[in-house]
Amino acid sequence: SQTIHQWPATLVQPVGSPLSLECTVEGTSNPNLYWYRQAAGRGLQLLFYSVGIGQISSEVPQNLSASRPQDRQFILSSKKLLLSDSGFYLCAWSVLGASGANVLTFGAGSRLTVL
Amino acid sequence: AQSVTQPDIHITVSEGASLELRCNYSYGATPYLFWYVQSPGQGLQLLLKYFSGDTLVQGIKGFEAEFKRSQSSFNLRKPSVHWSDAAEYFCAVGGATNKLIFGTGTLLAVQP
Repeated sequence: SQTIHQWPATLVQPVGSPLSLECTVEGTSNPNLYWYRQAAGRGLQLLFYSVGIGQISSEVPQNLSASRPQDRQFILSSKKLLLSDSGFYLCAWSVLGASGANVLTFGAGSRLTVL
Repeated sequence: AQSVTQPDIHITVSEGASLELRCNYSYGATPYLFWYVQSPGQGLQLLLKYFSGDTLVQGIKGFEAEFKRSQSSFNLRKPSVHWSDAAEYFCAVGGATNKLIFGTGTLLAVQP
């Protein structure tokens, strides 16, 4: 069966410090991978998605970047964190089904607090 | 523009009462529709999905949703709510693309 792992689960970082959140998927090949951010009282905002190694689409201009160095690994990074980067970050994967739809499966999330 | 609206930010129901969470969408093509549930501090779990066919879809935990194309709606229902249903619920719409668009969520509280 497929599983998705995110780490770290919780992170407290000072403003201006770097960030690296990692997500890995097991039990599937060539998944679509996604990073969403959930800010307090708001919905889910799609940050990045990837359909293959080295292929990254950015949805919102911001202080973050994403990379996909391996088929089932997706990394969210920042060189210098801002206070506004605080939030709950969710990684998800999908495989295009026979119906033509992507059904997303989410990880448990990473809570980032920037002080 | 593609969007999802969940007009109710917060709903409180009594345990055993029926529940309906509203979702309206705007999508330029044939929509695929989803409901997810999120417990505090956790990721999102898929409750149910609609791709085509019967407009009334059944999901896990006794939930169902009805797709009404004429009203651009996909409301979530449950006939009898349990205390364990307290969580945040998200409606989402997608299509033949790689992206899902989520609503802002409805926070459900259940009174004993």
